[in-house]
Amino acid sequence: QVQLQESGPGLVKPSETLSLTCTVSGGSVSSGSYYWSWIRQPPGKGLEWIGYIYYSGSTNYNPSLKSRVTISVDTSKNQFSLKLSSVTAADTAVYYCARVGPYGDYVDYWGQGTLVTVSS
Amino acid sequence: QSALTQEASVSGTVGQKVTLSCTGNSNNIGSYAVGWYQQISHGAPKTVMFGNSLPSGIPDRFSGSKSGTTASLTISGLQPEDEADYYCSTWDYSLSAVVFGGGTKLTVL
Repeated sequence: QVQLQESGPGLVKPSETLSLTCTVSGGSVSSGSYYWSWIRQPPGKGLEWIGYIYYSGSTNYNPSLKSRVTISVDTSKNQFSLKLSSVTAADTAVYYCARVGPYGDYVDYWGQGTLVTVSS
Repeated sequence: QSALTQEASVSGTVGQKVTLSCTGNSNNIGSYAVGWYQQISHGAPKTVMFGNSLPSGIPDRFSGSKSGTTASLTISGLQPEDEADYYCSTWDYSLSAVVFGGGTKLTVL
C-alpha cells in the first residue's frame, strides 16, 4: 500500500515562496510507471492540478501556474517537493501530493493534505 | 470554469442506484482513462475508480464506465456512508494538463 505524507510550513507570507515535501512509503518514486503530482484545493472550492514529475526529473506544470512552480524529486530520500513562488492569498489551500497513473490521467493514491495559509 | 462538467448535486435514497456523470471532449475523456474521487466532509480525496479498475478496499457497489466523451460512476445499493463530494479527472492533451470536474455533491436521503 503506497502512502504519501506532506510536510512543510502551514503559514507563508505574501510574496514569499511556499515549500512542501512529500515523503513516499510503500512504493518508490523511481518507479517508471507513475508520475508524482501536487494538487491543491482552496477552501470551499474544487481540486486544481499544480503539476507532476517523473523519476527522471521531467516535469509538466499547470499552464496557469507554470511561471511560479518548481517540482523536484530526490530518489535517494524517496521524496518529491513543491516550490511555489510569489504567493498571494489566492494560493491559500490544502495541498495534496499524489501518485498519478502512467498517462497522467488518474490519481490512485493521495496524501492526507496540508493546509497552507498565505498571510502576513 | 472546469474542463470537465459534473452535476452540481445528486441525491438518492438508501439502497437506490445512482449515476454520476463527467462530460468532456475528444481531447480528454474521449482519449484517456478517468479517475473518480470521493471526498467526505472536506477530508482527503480517496480514489474509488480509475479507468475500469476498482481500488483495493472499495466496495463493489461502485462501478465505472465511459461512452464517447462522457464517463459515469454508478453506485448500486446506495449507503449512508456514500454521502460525499465526488470529483472526476483525466488528462487533456490540448491543454497539456490534468483536468478535474467541478465536483458533484451526493446526498443520501
